[in-house]
Amino acid sequence: AQSVAQPEDQVNVAEGNPLTVKCTYSVSGNPYLFWYVQYPNRGLQFLLKYITGDNLVKGSYGFEAEFNKSQTSFHLKKPSALVSDSALYFCAVGVSGSARQLTFGSGTQLTVLP
Amino acid sequence: DGGITQSPKYLFRKEGQNVTLSCEQNLNHDAMYWYRQDPGQGLRLIYYSQIVNDFQKGDIAEGYSVSREKKESFPLTVTSAQKNPTAFYLCASSIGAGQRYNEQFFGPGTRLTVL
Repeated sequence: AQSVAQPEDQVNVAEGNPLTVKCTYSVSGNPYLFWYVQYPNRGLQFLLKYITGDNLVKGSYGFEAEFNKSQTSFHLKKPSALVSDSALYFCAVGVSGSARQLTFGSGTQLTVLP
Repeated sequence: DGGITQSPKYLFRKEGQNVTLSCEQNLNHDAMYWYRQDPGQGLRLIYYSQIVNDFQKGDIAEGYSVSREKKESFPLTVTSAQKNPTAFYLCASSIGAGQRYNEQFFGPGTRLTVL
């Protein structure tokens, strides 16, 4: 079975400060990892993904994520937060060679305070 | 949300009624998905389709049905057998049916409320 944990329901950060949204996963096999963002009453927007290769993945809007195989983590980061980054963030995992579709985490609400 | 449309945006259903949610994509994607979103629970997979005229149950298929008669369309019917249908429903698509590392593109969602 595959699973994703986002241990923080809510993250608050001051504008201009670095932000981190945490994600850990559990899979049998090589993982595919994704981050999505959702604004109120909207669909999800793709931010970035890790398939293989460089552990540091850069994505849209200045976000990046670091794949850490030993810690089974894929934390989302941004060096300087903007108020407009306030949204709901989802981590998702899939497994290479598996028929199982993506499994999503429960989401983390990020609030950037002006 | 580009390339995937869902209608209606808001839908109200009386108990005992079946309702159908529309999902259309013009991205020429093979795979399409339906998710249900409830507060604090993330997204749960209802059904998915990897190719026309074929679909599989996801984690919470009971009380739902789908069809995939055309590549661009994947409607979801919420039947009266679904005991707690009030939720936000999201449709998504991705390029390759067998290429699960491709990201999914999401529609804007339909909010269903049972009166």
